[in-house]
Amino acid sequence: NAGVTQTPKFRVLKTGQSMTLLCAQDMNHEYMYWYRQDPGMGLRLIHYSVGEGTTAKGEVPDGYNVSRLKKQNFLLGLESAAPSQTSVYFCASSYGPPFLAPREQYFGPGTRLTVT
Amino acid sequence: DAKTTQPPSMDCAEGRAANLPCNHSTISGNEYVYWYRQIHSQGPQYIIHGLKNNETNEMASLIITEDRKSSTLILPHATLRDTAVYYCIVRVAAAGNKLTFGGGTRVLVKP
Repeated sequence: NAGVTQTPKFRVLKTGQSMTLLCAQDMNHEYMYWYRQDPGMGLRLIHYSVGEGTTAKGEVPDGYNVSRLKKQNFLLGLESAAPSQTSVYFCASSYGPPFLAPREQYFGPGTRLTVT
Repeated sequence: DAKTTQPPSMDCAEGRAANLPCNHSTISGNEYVYWYRQIHSQGPQYIIHGLKNNETNEMASLIITEDRKSSTLILPHATLRDTAVYYCIVRVAAAGNKLTFGGGTRVLVKP
């Protein structure tokens, strides 16, 4: 049971280039999330998905797109990378409803992205 | 979700108990208190959560005041591997199941 995995672990992009980050989970979780974390700050939610084929915007969605074609995968795309997108990106997943209590989220190891 | 206030940093001696405070004075009746931690460069890790009663698991204990306006996470015997940023998060059980992270408390366990 690998949990939540992220590909790649590191990437350097030039301004204007595009790329896709892949998140995979093997826990049959309904919900998946993409966060970014800038130095010295807490995580901020970019986009999330409550099920296969669904996506929704989080706190900082501009400049990113996502897709959830398969339940186990959640892709984060940068169409035209900018230096402001230099960050560490974390993926997470959780069980969905019923919500007797909020569900804990399980996080991946992160992807370090630098845009020059 | 209710806002939380945590001290930005604290030190703890190895082998001693670490008591991490969190203020959530605007918490509402259906909001839970959750704690996560983030060890350097890793993804956050769930620790414990509670609604009204005190809770204990293999990692920590959570003490919630009777009026629920504050709570304390207790690491009973801190080790060097407990050095991390600890986040106190207040949230409801709702569609989306979203987390909102604040600044957290940076805990340094010293030998």
